[in-house]
Amino acid sequence: AQKVTQAQTEISVVEKEDVTLDCVYETRDTTYYLFWYKQPPSGELVFLIRRNSFDEQNEISGRYSWNFQKSTSSFNFTITASQVVDSAVYFCALSASYSGAGSYQLTFGKGTKLSVIP
Amino acid sequence: DADVTQTPRNRITKTGKRIMLECSQTKGHDRMYWYRQDPGLGLRLIYYSFDVKDINKGEISDGYSVSRQAQAKFSLSLESAIPNQTALYFCATSDLRDEQETQYFGPGTRLLVL
Repeated sequence: AQKVTQAQTEISVVEKEDVTLDCVYETRDTTYYLFWYKQPPSGELVFLIRRNSFDEQNEISGRYSWNFQKSTSSFNFTITASQVVDSAVYFCALSASYSGAGSYQLTFGKGTKLSVIP
Repeated sequence: DADVTQTPRNRITKTGKRIMLECSQTKGHDRMYWYRQDPGLGLRLIYYSFDVKDINKGEISDGYSVSRQAQAKFSLSLESAIPNQTALYFCATSDLRDEQETQYFGPGTRLLVL
């Protein structure tokens, strides 16, 4: 079975501060994929990034960066110079084979609510 | 136009009523999913379908049924709605040809069962 833990339920930061959202995962599979999704107050789920288990290279996209460390089973997400528009619930998710037949199931963490205060 | 659409976007119904939530996609994806989101619990998988003739139960399928009418359409039914089915429901799609199977979500349907 796989599991995703987002220990931070809610975080509040002042605008322009940096903030890191933690994600720890568990899986027995050697091949798996990690995702981050953003859910703004309007409610939709927006795909942000995916990484596969063979690629530990960190990624940066504008003010967003992701740190994938297999040694600690973590896939943390950092927002640099946060803005009010970053206020949302962020979900980390893990996709790993659950049937051994090449089918993958997406398991979500419970989410971290980020509030950026002006 | 959105690639994944859900109707209705909001629905209020009474206990015992039958209700259907619909999902349509123009992404050409073969795989479709239904999730529910409850506060503090994240998203949980209800049902999924890998093609028109394939239906599979997810983590929390009790009280729900689905129909895959076409590659582009996947409906979720609550045969006899109950208050603890009040939640935000999401449809998602993914592409069989995408090795990483990224799932793309619809805008969600807010359901309130009185």
